[in-house]
Amino acid sequence: DTGVSQDPRHKITKRGQNVTFRCDPISEHNRLYWYRQTLGQGPEFLTYFQNEAQLEKSRLLSDRFSAERPKGSFSTLEIQRTEQGDSAMYLCASSLGASSADTQYFGPGTRLTVL
Amino acid sequence: AQSVTQLDSHVSVSEGTPVLLRCNYSSSYSPSLFWYVQHPNKGLQLLLKYTSAATLVKGINGFEAEFKKSETSFHLTKPSAHMSDAAEYFCVVSVRLTGGGNKLTFGTGTQLKVEL
Repeated sequence: DTGVSQDPRHKITKRGQNVTFRCDPISEHNRLYWYRQTLGQGPEFLTYFQNEAQLEKSRLLSDRFSAERPKGSFSTLEIQRTEQGDSAMYLCASSLGASSADTQYFGPGTRLTVL
Repeated sequence: AQSVTQLDSHVSVSEGTPVLLRCNYSSSYSPSLFWYVQHPNKGLQLLLKYTSAATLVKGINGFEAEFKKSETSFHLTKPSAHMSDAAEYFCVVSVRLTGGGNKLTFGTGTQLKVEL
C-alpha cells in the first residue's frame, strides 16, 4: 500500500492555458474523489467516480473542468482556459467502497498557481 | 443539508495541557462525522470517525471525540498536547452519494498551536 499519489505536486501556469493533473489511488480502491482547497478554507467536493463511472459532479465543476477515470484506476482532472480563480490545491482521495461511510484516503495534492 | 461549524479558527495550548477543538454539526438524519488533520505540506490524515456505533470514539495519537446528539456537537479532545500535534484540524460530515459513495463536507478548520 503506497498511498494515494498525485502528479505534479506543483503547477504554475499562465491564465488561459490548459492544465491536467493525475491521481493514482490506492490499488483496489474502487471509489475516487476530487476536492479543491483554497487558502484558509476546508476542501470542497468536486466530483466522484465509482470504478470508471463519474456518478456525481458539484456545481463548482464548471464546463472548463473535466475529469476522467478511463480504466477505473488512475484519474485525470483537466482545467481548460485557466483563470486566476482556479488557483488552489487540488486533492484526490480514494476509498475501498465497502460501505457508505468508508474512509477516504487523501493524496498530497497538486498546488495550482495561475498567473 | 448537512454541515459542520468549527467554533474556533485558532487554538493555542501549552505542551502537556489538554486540547479541546469544538465542532457543531447540522444534519437531518444520523450523521457520519470525522476529524481529519492536515500538517504543513502533508496530505489530510484521518484521526477518527463516528458512524452511529459508540458515542465516544477513539482515534490515533491519543485523540478522541464524543458525539452528543442533544448538543449536536462532536468535539475533539486530547489529554496532553505534544509539539507534533501542531497542525490544522478539520471537522467533517459525510453525505451519501449515488452509487454508495460519500461526499465529505469540511468545516473551515482550526489551527492548533502548541507552545513550550
